[in-house]
Amino acid sequence: GAVVSQHPSRVICKSGTSVKIECRSLDFQATTMFWYRQFPKQSLMLMATSNEGSKATYEQGVEKDKFLINHASLTLSTLTVTSAHPEDSSFYICSAPASGGSTDTQYFGPGTRLTVL
Amino acid sequence: QKEVEQNSGPLSVPEGAIASLNCTYSDRGSQSFFWYRQYSGKSPELIMFIYSNGDKEDGRFTAQLNKASQYVSLLIRDSQPSDSATYLCAVMDSNYQLIWGAGTKLIIKP
Repeated sequence: GAVVSQHPSRVICKSGTSVKIECRSLDFQATTMFWYRQFPKQSLMLMATSNEGSKATYEQGVEKDKFLINHASLTLSTLTVTSAHPEDSSFYICSAPASGGSTDTQYFGPGTRLTVL
Repeated sequence: QKEVEQNSGPLSVPEGAIASLNCTYSDRGSQSFFWYRQYSGKSPELIMFIYSNGDKEDGRFTAQLNKASQYVSLLIRDSQPSDSATYLCAVMDSNYQLIWGAGTKLIIKP
């Protein structure tokens, strides 16, 4: 199957700082990538859809100015958590459809565990 | 609102038995159906996808789809302790949006 990587796998930061998470499709190009957040013992929550060359589409209740998404190339999307606070501590996972578009099977990155002190 | 429903469990199954995981969905126009496995602290990994009515088998796993009943299931034969995980059902609806179930926690008891 398609390979998606994420970096870093784990990050601990102080409250008020910003954290950037990278998501890369390693063996295919992805015009669309998805960002999810998962709190302990809860289901995946879609945060936003990242679109190469255009603005991201955010789900209801997700703050655009707090969670900045940049899809700079066909293999890279970044999520920046700005002015992070302890309530932003979560498991952040990206995914990309294998076909590169939005309608195919999604493959997930390994996730980034963010802890905000 | 389009929904995908799963029993949260935990579902406890003896080792070697068949584990049956179920999922129902509300959008009759849904196109594609996926089963993912998620171990604790890890990201989901794709197990199977199914597009057509009927059964699809892959090793110990069988996905079953019944569009008339809006029901998709995953059977795991010869269950192993390593199969213990949360199983997520995902449905691509008529608008090509992927809707996720909350997952069923499966425990295989040795």
